[in-house]
Amino acid sequence: QSVLTQPPSASGTPGQRVTISCSGSSSNIGRNYVYWYQQFPGTAPKLLIYRNNERPSGVPDRFSGSKSGTSASLTISGLRSEDEADYYCAAWDDNLRGRLMFGGGTKLTVL
Amino acid sequence: QVQLVQSGAEVKRPGASVKVSCKASGYIFTDNYIHWVRQAPGQGLEWMGWINPKSGATNYEQRFQGNVTMTRDTSISTAYMELNSLRSDDTAVYYCARDYSYGSNPGYWGQGTLVTVSS
Repeated sequence: QSVLTQPPSASGTPGQRVTISCSGSSSNIGRNYVYWYQQFPGTAPKLLIYRNNERPSGVPDRFSGSKSGTSASLTISGLRSEDEADYYCAAWDDNLRGRLMFGGGTKLTVL
Repeated sequence: QVQLVQSGAEVKRPGASVKVSCKASGYIFTDNYIHWVRQAPGQGLEWMGWINPKSGATNYEQRFQGNVTMTRDTSISTAYMELNSLRSDDTAVYYCARDYSYGSNPGYWGQGTLVTVSS
């Protein structure tokens, strides 16, 4: 059971806006940056959002992140079929000398 | 550009050990941490720990303490992760990943190494 809680699945139709939530606590999201990763089957994760809401170069601005208190969210605007993938949030947890925690992942389906 | 190239797939018997390598290029190896993350079949990502290539200091996730050893060879810009006393539930893809900026979460990932533990 993950310390960071994500919905196991999400879905939307092309062009829609979809939001994926990530819930944590004061020792992780409440104190540290949230990162988001995108993973396609059989491939390594790819960094999508860093420091809560920053995008690495090359990531479309359709992807955005936000954080409030002990929760964070990833929003995908103008959904495309190629966005169908697994999405993971991650944050450091300050307990026990620091641990990197991942959410359980959200499988996004584009209908 | 940052590249992390991992060693090939392994098949091991229960109780054996496995050592996965991760060769870095495109940056100064000692300037950034290397993390190890694993993913069991059909499951999510699980952080195992990190190594500071400059000092050799490590930080292991508690559940792997005593079973995992992370090392590095700075002369060849390569990090290693050795997992001992393998069990069937250690079957997973093991990823190395470099922090995005110093001390941050992973930002650059290797291609992954499948380790299969089976009798």
